[in-house]
Amino acid sequence: AQSVTQPDIHITVSEGASLELRCNYSYGATPYLFWYVQSPGQGLQLLLKYFSGDTLVQGIKGFEAEFKRSQSSFNLRKPSVHWSDAAEYFCAVGAGDTGRRALTFGSGTRLQVQP
Amino acid sequence: ETGVTQSPTHLIKTRGQQVTLRCSSQSGHNTVSWYQQALGQGPQFIFQYYREEENGRGNFPPRFSGLQFPNYSSELNVNALELDDSALYLCASSSGLAGYEQYFGPGTRLTVT
Repeated sequence: AQSVTQPDIHITVSEGASLELRCNYSYGATPYLFWYVQSPGQGLQLLLKYFSGDTLVQGIKGFEAEFKRSQSSFNLRKPSVHWSDAAEYFCAVGAGDTGRRALTFGSGTRLQVQP
Repeated sequence: ETGVTQSPTHLIKTRGQQVTLRCSSQSGHNTVSWYQQALGQGPQFIFQYYREEENGRGNFPPRFSGLQFPNYSSELNVNALELDDSALYLCASSSGLAGYEQYFGPGTRLTVT
């Protein structure tokens, strides 16, 4: 079965600094990969996705992520963080068996932004 | 385009009771998935419905059940509530069986006392 690891539970960065959130997955084939963001008490908003093709994908709000097959990673990056980026970020893997299309999520990384 | 909506927003129930949560899928989407998110954790897949049929289930007991209606809206029912059922319940909609790209509603916060 697939799994997702987000090694960093909590990250604090200064506003304007660059950001990288780590995500590692375990799956036998090439999975579908996603990053979602969740503000307190809210649902999940899709930031970006990787299905195939170019391994560097662009998303909303200035985020990008790079798929590295050799490292089983899909790290999320942003060149300059804004205070409004403070939230919880989840990496997810889509890898269906028996036809279901379920997402497996990591445990999340909480981002704090210092002024 | 209307997004995914869920009702109610919050709910407080007593252990042993039953609860029904509701979800309306995004316009044009015919697949609904339900997830449970305990405090401080990532969402966990409960089950998925496609064209009114259950299309896969996660590691949840049978007291978690669901329905999907002809308009693709969906219900999640939980019987014999336990304290550990306290969580944020998220509904996600997608299009067809290629639907890994899922769009989430705001969730229902269930508290079991």
